[in-house]
This record gives sequence, structure tokens and C-alpha cells, in this order.
Amino acid sequence: EAGVAQSPRYKIIEKRQSVAFWCNPISGHATLYWYQQILGQGPKLLIQFQNNGVVDDSQLPKDRFSAERLKGVDSTLKIQPAKLEDSAVYLCASSRSPIYTGGGGGTQYFGPGTRLTVL
Amino acid sequence: DAKTTQPPSMDCAEGRAANLPCNHSTISGNEYVYWYRQIHSQGPQYIIHGLKNNETNEMASLIITEDRKSSTLILPHATLRDTAVYYCIVRVAGNNDMRFGAGTRLTVKP
Repeated sequence: EAGVAQSPRYKIIEKRQSVAFWCNPISGHATLYWYQQILGQGPKLLIQFQNNGVVDDSQLPKDRFSAERLKGVDSTLKIQPAKLEDSAVYLCASSRSPIYTGGGGGTQYFGPGTRLTVL
Repeated sequence: DAKTTQPPSMDCAEGRAANLPCNHSTISGNEYVYWYRQIHSQGPQYIIHGLKNNETNEMASLIITEDRKSSTLILPHATLRDTAVYYCIVRVAGNNDMRFGAGTRLTVKP
């Protein structure tokens, strides 16, 4: 079974520029997540999709971040305009269970991440 | 949300068992304990999870105390490739949000 795919793996931009990240989840996984991981910290959830609908975006800085999951499969995360503090690794994860069932149904599988550096 | 407490770092000799503790004293009855690890420059990797019974899989064993206020992840024969940050997470009931803390940085030494 193929894992979660992300691209690009690395991105360097100037502040105030825009950037987009792409994620392809594991086939058949209804739930998709985007996390931000700042150096030395654990991942922080930005947004959660259930199929193509948003379940939770309470921690997404909506003035500059946006995400979509058209057709309930691939997803893109965009930052516009980028700030220095956005430098981080952006992780995509997916899980099988559409709702919280407890236990293994909601186990999340992560992609390798995109390392963003904002200069 | 239940919070977890883990030591920031631990060392382990190669071939020996690595025992990683986690405190989750405010865990609710329907919340699971999950363990993930993150090897340098990779995304977090699922290891194991449990509710109240001890669990074992090909990667590790999870021992949960009877009162569920703490747990221990056991890597029975640690190798150099087990060097990573290990996260203990209590699953927020009602959704799939995984609240990661800072984790424990395990260093396996030859």
C-alpha cells in the first residue's frame, strides 16, 4: 500500500511571497489532515478534512493560510503572503475512519513533510 | 483534553530494552493512548495504541497501568535505527485531533 505523498519536499521563498503544498493521501482514506511542525516542537494540527468538507480549521491562520480538498482525494495548502514565522515542516496525514470510532480506525499515517524556509 | 508528560530525553544501549514512560493523569475513560515516533527528517510513524489492556505488536509493547494514569512503551531490543523522538498522545474524544507534545528524544548508543 502506497503511503501519503507530499510535494515538494523542500521550498525556500522570500517573505510576502506565496507558496503551495500538495498532498495525496493513502487510497481509501476519507480523512486528511495538515499539520505544522516548528523546529523542536511536536506537530500542530492546522486543518482536518472529512472527504471534501472541513471538519476543523480552528487553528488555521485564515488571514494567510487556505486549504482545499477537491473531489475528496488530493489536497493543497497555500500560504499567501508568507511570514518569517511560517518557516516549518508542513505534514500531511490521512486516516481511514470517517468519524471518531476510537482505536485503530482513526490511526493517522503521515507523509514525509515539506520543509518551508521563509527568508 | 488530557495532557501527557514525558521526559525530554533518554539514552539506551543497543540491544537492550528501551522503556519510555508517559504520564496522562487526567485521561478520560474513553480516550486511547497512542504512541508515534519521528525519525529525523521524516513524518511521524504510528507505533501502537491501547485503551486499558496491554498491547503488543511487531514494533513494541504498550503497558498501561490499571488506573490508566500512566503508560510505558517498550522497545524490546533497541537498535540504532530506533533513535527518534517518541510521542505519547491521548486521543481527544469526538474527533481525530492528535495533540502532540514535545515527546522524548531517545538515543540508542552502540
